[in-house]
Amino acid sequence: NAGVTQTPKFHILKIGQSMTLQCTQDMNHNYMYWYRQDPGMGLKLIYYSVGAGITDKGEVPNGYNVSRSTTEDFPLRLELAAPSQTSVYFCASSSGPYQETQYFGPGTRLLVL
Amino acid sequence: DQQVKQNSPSLSVQEGRISILNCDYTNSMFDYFLWYKKYPAEGPTFLISISSIKDKNEDGRFTVFLNKSAKHLSLHIVPSQPGDSAVYFCAVSSGNTGKLIFGQGTTLQVKP
Repeated sequence: NAGVTQTPKFHILKIGQSMTLQCTQDMNHNYMYWYRQDPGMGLKLIYYSVGAGITDKGEVPNGYNVSRSTTEDFPLRLELAAPSQTSVYFCASSSGPYQETQYFGPGTRLLVL
Repeated sequence: DQQVKQNSPSLSVQEGRISILNCDYTNSMFDYFLWYKKYPAEGPTFLISISSIKDKNEDGRFTVFLNKSAKHLSLHIVPSQPGDSAVYFCAVSSGNTGKLIFGQGTTLQVKP
């Protein structure tokens, strides 16, 4: 059981470029989340999904897009990268919405220059 | 406008003593509270939680206390061990989608 895996671990992106951060979970969880963590700050929710084909915005969705075509995968797309998107990105999953533990991946560190 | 605040960015404690980490929240409608622990270059891992119908939950060396009237949450670690050195985040669960709202984190250092 790998849990939640994220790729890449680290990436440098140029301003204006686009990229996709990958997230996969093997726990058959319906609920998946993308958070970002800026230095000295807590994690902030970008997007979440309650099941395949269903996604919704979190607290800081601007500049990002997501899709959920399968239960396992929840990729995060950055369009036209900006320096403000320099952050560490964490993907998480849980079996249910309420009082269920969220399991986090190891994170992707993204630098936009 | 921070809904969840951890006002102490760091805490240093001697091994064997008690560590107390604090967290305040603003919305009295929050009803489920969690603590996550994070080591460098890893994702957060769940530590302990409490629902608003309780005022205390204990798991081994870790105890979480909830004071609803003060909108205050605390995590006690007794006895503290060097392996407990990490960043601790409190979080509240918002609504029925499982979305978490995190505090800024407190870095705990336990000295041998």
